[in-house]
Amino acid sequence: LAKTTQPISMDSYEGQEVNITCSHNNIATNDYITWYQQFPSQGPRFIIQGYKTKVTNEVASLFIPADRKSSTLSLPRVSLSDTAVYYCLVGGGYQKVTFGTGTKLQVIP
Amino acid sequence: GAVVSQHPSWVICKSGTSVKIECRSLDFQATTMFWYRQFPKQSLMLMATSNEGSKATYEQGVEKDKFLINHASLTLSTLTVTSAHPEDSSFYICSAKRGVAEAFFGQGTRLTVV
Repeated sequence: LAKTTQPISMDSYEGQEVNITCSHNNIATNDYITWYQQFPSQGPRFIIQGYKTKVTNEVASLFIPADRKSSTLSLPRVSLSDTAVYYCLVGGGYQKVTFGTGTKLQVIP
Repeated sequence: GAVVSQHPSWVICKSGTSVKIECRSLDFQATTMFWYRQFPKQSLMLMATSNEGSKATYEQGVEKDKFLINHASLTLSTLTVTSAHPEDSSFYICSAKRGVAEAFFGQGTRLTVV
């Protein structure tokens, strides 16, 4: 399983765009990159998944460079309700789903 | 996204008793389910992986006789914490996958052993 490295924490003001980068140097050819959001005392919630280039949905964008050794989750115009822990996972297929340390995002009014 | 339901949301039990936690995939058939434990301010720690109809695969350091996992159908997996002790108090979370699709998570169960 590819190991991931993320910043432990980030602060952002409301209304700003937030970019959280995840490093995964030993990503395998078949691996996907998936991001989850977790609020206290809740299970993680799926945000977005991608394999290469750029993926966008109604809540976020995911940027993946050509070498796929890193990825960036972009949250447009964050609000206080986006304060949470964000996890970057690498794997997929029939592999087990394991979590790294995650990034604690604090949105400031 | 798909819905995974966990029950109960919280439970308090006496030391030495057993507690069962259910995990159901409500709108899809889950070929694989995972069980996690999460301590305060820490990440999720994978305990075991279960596939329908076969024995669960436990992660290193997780006692299979203490944490009994049953995946009897494609929509239900259960985790039984046997002879619970205060150190087993934690937040337990399940997730479910259908084939190679992304995993979806239950809302978690807060277990307190007194």
